[in-house]
Amino acid sequence: NAGVMQNPRHLVRRRGQEARLRCSPMKGHSHVYWYRQLPEEGLKFMVYLQKENIIDESGMPKERFSAEFPKEGPSILRIQQVVRGDSAAYFCASSQGGVLAIQYFGAGTRLSVL
Amino acid sequence: EDKVVQSPLSLVVHEGDTVTLNCSYEVTNFRSLLWYKQEKKAPTFLFMLTSSGIEKKSGRLSSILDKKELSSILNITATQTGDSAIYLCAVAGTTSGTYKYIFGTGTRLKVLA
Repeated sequence: NAGVMQNPRHLVRRRGQEARLRCSPMKGHSHVYWYRQLPEEGLKFMVYLQKENIIDESGMPKERFSAEFPKEGPSILRIQQVVRGDSAAYFCASSQGGVLAIQYFGAGTRLSVL
Repeated sequence: EDKVVQSPLSLVVHEGDTVTLNCSYEVTNFRSLLWYKQEKKAPTFLFMLTSSGIEKKSGRLSSILDKKELSSILNITATQTGDSAIYLCAVAGTTSGTYKYIFGTGTRLKVLA
């Protein structure tokens, strides 16, 4: 499967726990983007990464949220000490980079915080 | 502040109808406008429109970019129940050397048999 792979598809956490969301980009893509989608809302940009670099994290909350895209392995979005308001669908997209590159999306991880 | 506004928010039609979805934008250093279809999974890419490609067509779907009016429309003719989905418009702009997509909230289309 050459598409963008996200796992897990569903994640349930209790308040205060940590959530780790993984994203493997499409083959040949070195640019990864994370978005959050709340019910009845559009996709909200969180962070843009290239291998080993955070390019733009302007959409990511300063506290509790972090993202990485190591040289080897998937990109990880990490949410520490989750709260109920973190419940949402988190989508990852990848592209080849460049101004006119198309972003292709994974199926998302649906995070539920109890 | 950059923004993308889609209308209508939701739409219910019958099979065979033609629908027009709208997207208007105010985005710094516009580069492209993209349409995605989102069912209960990943948004799937439909079209990209740029200054050099303002009209695209694929089967029953077509889209036009109006750079003067800062807007785009997505047309679907002879709708089918399989067209039921959320249609997302995203506009790519550049700020401080990087570019990002700004998404609208989407239009929820339901096609009845």
